[in-house]
Amino acid sequence: SQQGEEDPQALSIQEGENATMNCSYKTSINNLQWYRQNSGRGLVHLILIRSNEREKHSGRLRVTLDTSKKSSSLLITASRAADTASYFCAPCNAGNMLTFGGGTRLMVKP
Amino acid sequence: DTAVSQTPKYLVTQMGNDKSIKCEQNLGHDTMYWYKQDSKKFLKIMFSYNNKELIINETVPNRFSPKSPDKAHLNLHINSLELGDSAVYFCASSQVRDPYDTQYFGPGTRLTVL
Repeated sequence: SQQGEEDPQALSIQEGENATMNCSYKTSINNLQWYRQNSGRGLVHLILIRSNEREKHSGRLRVTLDTSKKSSSLLITASRAADTASYFCAPCNAGNMLTFGGGTRLMVKP
Repeated sequence: DTAVSQTPKYLVTQMGNDKSIKCEQNLGHDTMYWYKQDSKKFLKIMFSYNNKELIINETVPNRFSPKSPDKAHLNLHINSLELGDSAVYFCASSQVRDPYDTQYFGPGTRLTVL
């Protein structure tokens, strides 16, 4: 399955700490995307990393990709209470089809 | 301005009914999608559609059908609703020629089948 599987399922940290979420997938990809979902809302795109890239940064976000291990990680540095949300990785195949897992529910305590 | 909008936001209906959920995007994108998010938060692709091709997830029952009156709209019709259809349905769009291939999601429609 192309589905991304996030780990851990839930993560609780204090404001100011870093949060690391991992993603594994099973088949070849064109790119891998990370999305965020606030409770009761739609998904919002955070960052995309292409299969020929190993690391990418966007503000407080850092994404890595290891295609040999079929894994990716999302690091949020200096977390804030407003970062509380569910985070999903989505491996993307050549047909631009995204497949999501169940996400990581991040709770950042003030 | 809302980029991807869905109506209704909430839909409560009886088993066996037929219902539709509407989706509109004002981004000028050429591809639209429908996803289903179950109670465990797993988000599954149902359909991918542009003016040339409809790609259907083979696990989707044929009671579900997408209908696109024009490039900016992709509505979801559901016939003979079942209890298991209760979920949140998300519409999304993208511009496949966009080098970033990102998808923009609507706010979701929470469907409850009684």
